[in-house]
Amino acid sequence: EADIYQTPRYLVIGTGKKITLECSQTMGHDKMYWYQQDPGMELHLIHYSYGVNSTEKGDLSSESTVSRIRTEHFPLTLESARPSHTSQYLCASSRRGDYNEQFFGPGTRLTVL
Amino acid sequence: AQSVSQHNHHVILSEAASLELGCNYSYGGTVNLFWYVQYPGQHLQLLLKYFSGDPLVKGIKGFEAEFIKSKFSFNLRKPSVQWSDTAEYFCAVEAGGFKTIFGAGTRLFVKA
Repeated sequence: EADIYQTPRYLVIGTGKKITLECSQTMGHDKMYWYQQDPGMELHLIHYSYGVNSTEKGDLSSESTVSRIRTEHFPLTLESARPSHTSQYLCASSRRGDYNEQFFGPGTRLTVL
Repeated sequence: AQSVSQHNHHVILSEAASLELGCNYSYGGTVNLFWYVQYPGQHLQLLLKYFSGDPLVKGIKGFEAEFIKSKFSFNLRKPSVQWSDTAEYFCAVEAGGFKTIFGAGTRLFVKA
């Protein structure tokens, strides 16, 4: 079992609220990722990080932001949630140079009313 | 743009049947290939991977996959499925860079 954690697991909130999805890993991995996953669809990369103070946007346009102040922590923030943000958000991490094998967290299922 | 195509979105098999899940990708250069699996209520986890060498790779729980470079394919196989193989299977390709592209997944249901 991979040591990567996400909280909350489920979240239902109203439109306009600011939310932060937490992701932490205890494996010392340099690389971390956030994916968005809808049923029957591909995982879409929305943010990634090579290491501390390094963040990049992924392929899928997202109104969220991320930060990487510590190696083990990679939170994702939505300043003003909308119903279109309803989705499952998966966090993952991998070692530098390990052919990019990724370890995934359990996901956060977000519903915006 | 790079893409990964999984041919079947849903597969239903009886126990002991053979399994083959198709995966094709579009990228002409060197690739690293993965199959991930998500069992009900569990994290997405690595099933097997190919980086180089023998194109037939073996993973956990009796799964194997064959890389056919000329066909841009990385199909997943298992000779005899079990009820516990019920899960969603994702093919993924890491092509010449940092990002990994995932397919849409195949939901496998094995009838006991």
